[in-house]
Amino acid sequence: QSALTQPASVSGSPGQSITISCTGTSSDVGTYDYVSWYQQHPGKPPKLIIYDVSSRPSGVSNRFSGSKSGNTASLTISGLQAEDEADYYCSSYTISSTRVFGGGTKLTVL
Amino acid sequence: EVQLVESGGGLVKPGGSLRLSCAASGFTFTTYSISWVRQAPGKGLEWVSSISSTSTYIHYADSLKGRFTISRDNAKNSLSLQMNSLRAEDTAVYYCARDRYGDYAFDWWGQGALVTVSS
Repeated sequence: QSALTQPASVSGSPGQSITISCTGTSSDVGTYDYVSWYQQHPGKPPKLIIYDVSSRPSGVSNRFSGSKSGNTASLTISGLQAEDEADYYCSSYTISSTRVFGGGTKLTVL
Repeated sequence: EVQLVESGGGLVKPGGSLRLSCAASGFTFTTYSISWVRQAPGKGLEWVSSISSTSTYIHYADSLKGRFTISRDNAKNSLSLQMNSLRAEDTAVYYCARDRYGDYAFDWWGQGALVTVSS
Protein backbone atom coordinates (compact mmCIF):
# COMPACT_ATOMS: atom_id res chain seq x y z
CA GLN A 1 0.00 0.00 0.00
CA SER A 2 2.52 2.64 -1.06
CA ALA A 3 1.22 6.18 -1.23
CA LEU A 4 0.47 7.70 -4.60
CA THR A 5 3.13 10.16 -5.75
CA GLN A 6 2.33 13.86 -5.98
CA PRO A 7 4.64 16.87 -6.28
CA ALA A 8 5.20 18.48 -2.90
CA SER A 9 4.35 21.93 -4.18
CA VAL A 10 3.15 23.85 -7.20
CA SER A 11 2.54 27.54 -7.73
CA GLY A 12 0.89 29.85 -10.18
CA SER A 13 -0.28 33.41 -10.61
CA PRO A 14 -3.92 34.48 -10.52
CA GLY A 15 -5.64 33.67 -13.80
CA GLN A 16 -3.13 31.03 -14.79
CA SER A 17 -3.66 27.27 -14.96
CA ILE A 18 -1.78 24.64 -13.01
CA THR A 19 -1.74 20.85 -13.12
CA ILE A 20 -1.02 18.47 -10.26
CA SER A 21 -0.01 14.92 -11.11
CA CYS A 22 -0.77 11.78 -9.12
CA THR A 23 1.19 8.69 -10.04
CA GLY A 24 0.23 5.25 -8.88
CA THR A 25 0.62 1.73 -10.22
CA SER A 26 -1.31 -0.92 -12.10
CA SER A 27 -2.67 -1.97 -8.69
CA ASP A 28 -4.60 1.26 -8.22
CA VAL A 29 -4.75 4.26 -10.57
CA GLY A 30 -3.91 2.17 -13.63
CA THR A 31 -6.71 -0.32 -13.09
CA TYR A 32 -9.62 1.67 -11.70
CA ASP A 33 -11.35 4.90 -12.67
CA TYR A 34 -11.95 5.50 -8.96
CA VAL A 35 -9.55 8.38 -8.63
CA SER A 36 -10.72 11.30 -6.51
CA TRP A 37 -9.24 14.65 -5.54
CA TYR A 38 -9.60 16.66 -2.34
CA GLN A 39 -8.93 20.26 -1.41
CA GLN A 40 -7.94 21.04 2.17
CA HIS A 41 -7.55 24.48 3.67
CA PRO A 42 -5.61 24.86 6.95
CA GLY A 43 -7.51 23.61 9.95
CA LYS A 44 -10.39 22.31 7.85
CA PRO A 45 -11.45 18.83 6.78
CA PRO A 46 -10.82 17.85 3.16
CA LYS A 47 -13.43 18.66 0.52
CA LEU A 48 -14.18 16.40 -2.45
CA ILE A 49 -13.62 18.26 -5.72
CA ILE A 50 -13.28 15.46 -8.30
CA TYR A 51 -14.47 11.86 -8.26
CA ASP A 52 -14.27 9.00 -10.76
CA VAL A 53 -11.25 10.65 -12.44
CA SER A 54 -13.09 13.59 -13.99
CA SER A 55 -16.54 14.13 -12.45
CA ARG A 56 -17.33 17.17 -10.32
CA PRO A 57 -19.70 17.14 -7.35
CA SER A 58 -22.53 19.62 -7.42
CA GLY A 59 -21.34 23.05 -6.37
CA VAL A 60 -17.68 22.59 -7.31
CA SER A 61 -16.39 25.15 -9.78
CA ASN A 62 -15.86 24.02 -13.37
CA ARG A 63 -12.38 25.54 -13.07
CA PHE A 64 -11.43 22.17 -11.55
CA SER A 65 -10.99 19.27 -13.95
CA GLY A 66 -9.47 15.82 -13.80
CA SER A 67 -8.02 13.29 -16.21
CA LYS A 68 -6.06 10.07 -16.28
CA SER A 69 -3.54 8.37 -18.53
CA GLY A 70 -2.17 5.00 -17.60
CA ASN A 71 -0.96 5.02 -14.02
CA THR A 72 -1.06 8.80 -13.68
CA ALA A 73 -4.04 11.00 -12.85
CA SER A 74 -4.02 14.77 -13.06
CA LEU A 75 -5.93 17.67 -11.55
CA THR A 76 -6.03 20.93 -13.48
CA ILE A 77 -7.15 24.20 -11.97
CA SER A 78 -7.77 26.94 -14.49
CA GLY A 79 -8.21 30.65 -13.85
CA LEU A 80 -6.35 30.43 -10.54
CA GLN A 81 -7.85 32.43 -7.70
CA ALA A 82 -6.44 33.33 -4.31
CA GLU A 83 -8.97 31.06 -2.62
CA ASP A 84 -7.53 28.05 -4.47
CA GLU A 85 -4.44 28.22 -2.28
CA ALA A 86 -4.66 24.99 -0.29
CA ASP A 87 -3.36 21.44 -0.05
CA TYR A 88 -4.58 18.96 -2.66
CA TYR A 89 -4.71 15.20 -2.30
CA CYS A 90 -5.50 12.43 -4.76
CA SER A 91 -6.90 9.06 -3.76
CA SER A 92 -7.54 5.77 -5.51
CA TYR A 93 -9.26 2.48 -4.92
CA THR A 94 -6.90 -0.50 -5.08
CA ILE A 95 -7.00 -4.14 -6.17
CA SER A 96 -6.87 -5.12 -2.50
CA SER A 97 -10.18 -3.28 -1.95
CA THR A 98 -8.34 -0.68 0.10
CA ARG A 99 -7.84 3.03 -0.56
CA VAL A 100 -4.63 4.96 -0.93
CA PHE A 101 -3.89 8.69 -0.83
CA GLY A 102 -1.17 10.71 -2.41
CA GLY A 103 1.28 12.57 -0.22
CA GLY A 104 -0.39 15.89 -0.94
CA THR A 105 0.53 18.98 -2.95
CA LYS A 106 0.68 22.49 -1.55
CA LEU A 107 -0.64 25.02 -4.06
CA THR A 108 0.62 28.56 -3.69
CA VAL A 109 -1.10 31.37 -5.58
CA LEU A 110 1.55 34.00 -6.16
CA GLU B 1 -27.83 18.45 5.73
CA VAL B 2 -25.31 15.63 6.03
CA GLN B 3 -23.44 15.73 9.33
CA LEU B 4 -20.69 13.52 10.69
CA VAL B 5 -19.55 14.29 14.22
CA GLU B 6 -16.57 12.51 15.74
CA SER B 7 -16.02 12.12 19.46
CA GLY B 8 -13.81 10.22 21.86
CA GLY B 9 -10.45 11.73 21.03
CA GLY B 10 -7.93 12.66 23.69
CA LEU B 11 -4.59 11.93 25.28
CA VAL B 12 -3.59 8.31 25.82
CA LYS B 13 -0.35 6.67 26.89
CA PRO B 14 1.62 4.40 24.55
CA GLY B 15 0.19 0.89 24.68
CA GLY B 16 -3.21 2.19 25.71
CA SER B 17 -6.58 1.98 24.03
CA LEU B 18 -9.15 4.48 22.82
CA ARG B 19 -12.52 4.23 21.13
CA LEU B 20 -13.63 6.85 18.62
CA SER B 21 -17.25 7.35 17.64
CA CYS B 22 -18.88 9.07 14.69
CA ALA B 23 -22.53 10.18 14.85
CA ALA B 24 -24.20 10.51 11.46
CA SER B 25 -27.30 12.46 10.50
CA GLY B 26 -28.98 14.03 7.50
CA PHE B 27 -28.84 10.97 5.26
CA THR B 28 -29.89 7.31 5.17
CA PHE B 29 -26.98 5.89 7.14
CA THR B 30 -27.86 2.28 6.35
CA THR B 31 -27.15 2.66 2.63
CA TYR B 32 -23.64 4.09 2.77
CA SER B 33 -20.17 2.74 3.39
CA ILE B 34 -18.20 4.81 5.88
CA SER B 35 -14.47 5.19 6.39
CA TRP B 36 -11.91 6.48 8.85
CA VAL B 37 -9.09 8.65 7.52
CA ARG B 38 -6.34 10.11 9.70
CA GLN B 39 -3.90 12.97 9.39
CA ALA B 40 -0.82 13.25 11.57
CA PRO B 41 0.16 16.80 12.57
CA GLY B 42 1.57 18.61 9.55
CA LYS B 43 1.33 15.47 7.41
CA GLY B 44 -0.87 14.11 4.65
CA LEU B 45 -4.04 12.04 4.66
CA GLU B 46 -3.88 8.33 5.43
CA TRP B 47 -6.77 5.94 4.87
CA VAL B 48 -7.37 3.78 7.97
CA SER B 49 -10.42 1.58 7.43
CA SER B 50 -13.74 1.24 5.63
CA ILE B 51 -16.94 -0.62 6.44
CA SER B 52 -19.80 -1.36 4.05
CA SER B 53 -23.42 -0.46 4.73
CA THR B 54 -24.30 -3.81 6.34
CA SER B 55 -20.83 -4.48 7.78
CA THR B 56 -20.34 -7.30 5.27
CA TYR B 57 -17.13 -5.85 3.91
CA ILE B 58 -14.47 -4.44 6.21
CA HIS B 59 -10.98 -3.40 5.17
CA TYR B 60 -7.98 -1.98 6.99
CA ALA B 61 -4.70 -0.37 6.08
CA ASP B 62 -1.89 -2.92 6.26
CA SER B 63 0.10 -0.62 8.53
CA LEU B 64 -2.37 -1.10 11.38
CA LYS B 65 -1.46 -4.77 11.80
CA GLY B 66 -4.71 -5.75 13.48
CA ARG B 67 -4.62 -3.12 16.22
CA PHE B 68 -7.73 -1.24 15.08
CA THR B 69 -11.32 -2.50 14.72
CA ILE B 70 -14.06 -0.67 12.84
CA SER B 71 -17.74 -1.30 13.53
CA ARG B 72 -21.10 0.35 13.00
CA ASP B 73 -24.53 0.37 14.63
CA ASN B 74 -27.12 1.09 11.95
CA ALA B 75 -29.88 1.35 14.55
CA LYS B 76 -28.03 4.27 16.16
CA ASN B 77 -26.57 5.80 12.98
CA SER B 78 -23.10 5.50 14.45
CA LEU B 79 -19.63 4.32 13.51
CA SER B 80 -16.83 3.33 15.87
CA LEU B 81 -13.10 2.75 15.74
CA GLN B 82 -11.54 0.74 18.56
CA MET B 83 -7.83 1.47 18.73
CA ASN B 84 -5.55 -0.78 20.80
CA SER B 85 -1.80 -0.93 21.47
CA LEU B 86 -1.52 2.71 20.53
CA ARG B 87 1.85 4.14 19.47
CA ALA B 88 3.21 7.64 19.18
CA GLU B 89 2.87 7.40 15.41
CA ASP B 90 -0.90 6.96 15.78
CA THR B 91 -1.11 10.59 16.92
CA ALA B 92 -3.37 12.27 14.39
CA VAL B 93 -6.70 13.88 13.66
CA TYR B 94 -9.11 11.08 12.84
CA TYR B 95 -11.84 11.89 10.33
CA CYS B 96 -15.03 9.99 9.74
CA ALA B 97 -15.88 10.17 6.02
CA ARG B 98 -18.85 8.96 3.99
CA ASP B 99 -18.25 7.05 0.78
CA ARG B 100 -20.09 8.50 -2.17
CA TYR B 101 -22.98 6.13 -2.96
CA GLY B 102 -21.82 3.28 -5.20
CA ASP B 103 -18.36 4.79 -5.37
CA TYR B 104 -15.08 5.02 -3.50
CA ALA B 105 -14.76 8.76 -3.12
CA PHE B 106 -15.23 10.40 0.29
CA ASP B 107 -17.99 12.93 -0.28
CA TRP B 108 -18.68 14.15 3.27
CA TRP B 109 -16.23 14.54 6.14
CA GLY B 110 -16.55 15.22 9.83
CA GLN B 111 -14.51 17.90 11.57
CA GLY B 112 -12.17 15.30 13.05
CA ALA B 113 -11.12 14.10 16.50
CA LEU B 114 -7.57 14.57 17.77
CA VAL B 115 -5.86 11.53 19.25
CA THR B 116 -2.56 12.15 21.01
CA VAL B 117 -0.43 9.22 22.09
CA SER B 118 2.19 10.36 24.57
CA SER B 119 3.59 9.47 27.96
